[in-house]
Amino acid sequence: AAGVIQSPRHLIKEKRETATLKCYPIPRHDTVYWYQQGPGQDPQFLISFYEKMQSDKGSIPDRFSAQQFSDYHSELNMSSLELGDSALYFCASHLGGAGSYNSPLHFGNGTRLTVT
Amino acid sequence: KNEVEQSPQNLTAQEGEFITINCSYSVGISALHWLQQHPGGGIVSLFMLSSGKKKHGRLIATINIQEKHSSLHITASHPRDSAVYICAVENYGGSQGNLIFGKGTKLSVKP
Repeated sequence: AAGVIQSPRHLIKEKRETATLKCYPIPRHDTVYWYQQGPGQDPQFLISFYEKMQSDKGSIPDRFSAQQFSDYHSELNMSSLELGDSALYFCASHLGGAGSYNSPLHFGNGTRLTVT
Repeated sequence: KNEVEQSPQNLTAQEGEFITINCSYSVGISALHWLQQHPGGGIVSLFMLSSGKKKHGRLIATINIQEKHSSLHITASHPRDSAVYICAVENYGGSQGNLIFGKGTKLSVKP
């Protein structure tokens, strides 16, 4: 069965550069969540989308933005990268909407971003 | 104080042992998730529960809403169970994936 796909798996950037991470949810899943997990840290929720609209917002820095496209994939855009942005960024998807409460979350394997 | 506390932080067991990982939380929740994270970062959702008990194979998860406590049990542990187990809660009123994560329990099962 198709899983949540993230690309790239690894990314190395320099300070002040920009990065774009992509998340392809399971087919028909219309809800995507983004998380950041720093080295040795617990994950933090960043932002979520349902049906191409932002549905919830967590601790996402102003330098970051995200969107969800018509095919439900989502992209996390990160600008003016800082050393502290080095982390594992992973996404999750599920089928949202009415009656979807018990729809389980499916996680991607993450993109490991290193800022030098 | 963290909103989600897990214990123990690290756990080493011999193959075949019964394992319990505990999770306590201090916020009102809609549901609680148990997740498994392997080296390299991949996360698998094990359970999502809002009451009672769920069982899947050798894994059992329980939750006591009144006591704000959940446990994950692994019966007949195996070296392939070695991973980080993370408890995460959905804050009441938030979206399903807007999770508050615990710091995880690193489990190592020795053959």
